[in-house]
Amino acid sequence: QVQLQESGPGLVKPSQTLSLTCTVSGGSISSGSYYWSWIRQPAGKGLEWIGRIYTSGSTNYNPSLKSRVTISVDTSKNQFSLKLSSVTAADTAVYYCARTDYGADDAFDIWGQGTMVTVSS
Amino acid sequence: QPVLTQPPSSSASPGESARLTCTLPSDINVGSYNIYWYQQKPGSPPRYLLYYYSDSDKGQGSGVPSRFSGSKDASANTGILLISGLQSEDEADYYCMIWPSNAGVFGGGTKLTVL
Repeated sequence: QVQLQESGPGLVKPSQTLSLTCTVSGGSISSGSYYWSWIRQPAGKGLEWIGRIYTSGSTNYNPSLKSRVTISVDTSKNQFSLKLSSVTAADTAVYYCARTDYGADDAFDIWGQGTMVTVSS
Repeated sequence: QPVLTQPPSSSASPGESARLTCTLPSDINVGSYNIYWYQQKPGSPPRYLLYYYSDSDKGQGSGVPSRFSGSKDASANTGILLISGLQSEDEADYYCMIWPSNAGVFGGGTKLTVL
């Protein structure tokens, strides 16, 4: 069974770059018809989709974050990553990685447990 | 990006039905989109419940009971999640979502309280 696990620093200083990795286990990131997404959730607030990547490297980003976001994939490590530059306190959130099967119903069917990132000096 | 409007809260008693709504902006036709619904309980990631496009094009997440169902009200440009036979375990936050122009958009969420 495919599982996702986020990892990365829990504390990032303002103006720096937030970097997170999602490791896919129980299956190959390259198999099937999947997009791999990042989603975040500030404490007590709703979900915000950040962006997604296909294993070919094709990406889609949230227009409101596009200028600061880069999502990449490393198929040899079965991982995909998020970089968010010039962070501020508003970027403090739980960050989730998730899978969508565009060959099925394009839903986020598998989620990681999430990792809390705090932006603070 | 469009804004999907969900009532912040809703409540119902065990055994009753809960009808949660997700209203799309007027410039986006609900009839053109799959409406996805997710359930989130405190301290856990969201769980995929279902999507609804039409009665002939809909899907249920793995292991999701059939008492969770979707529909649309085209006159109100709204997607609907219906939960029948409410149970205490259904108390959670519920989020709708669509994929306009290859960019995911979530509603603000509805906190459902089972009284």
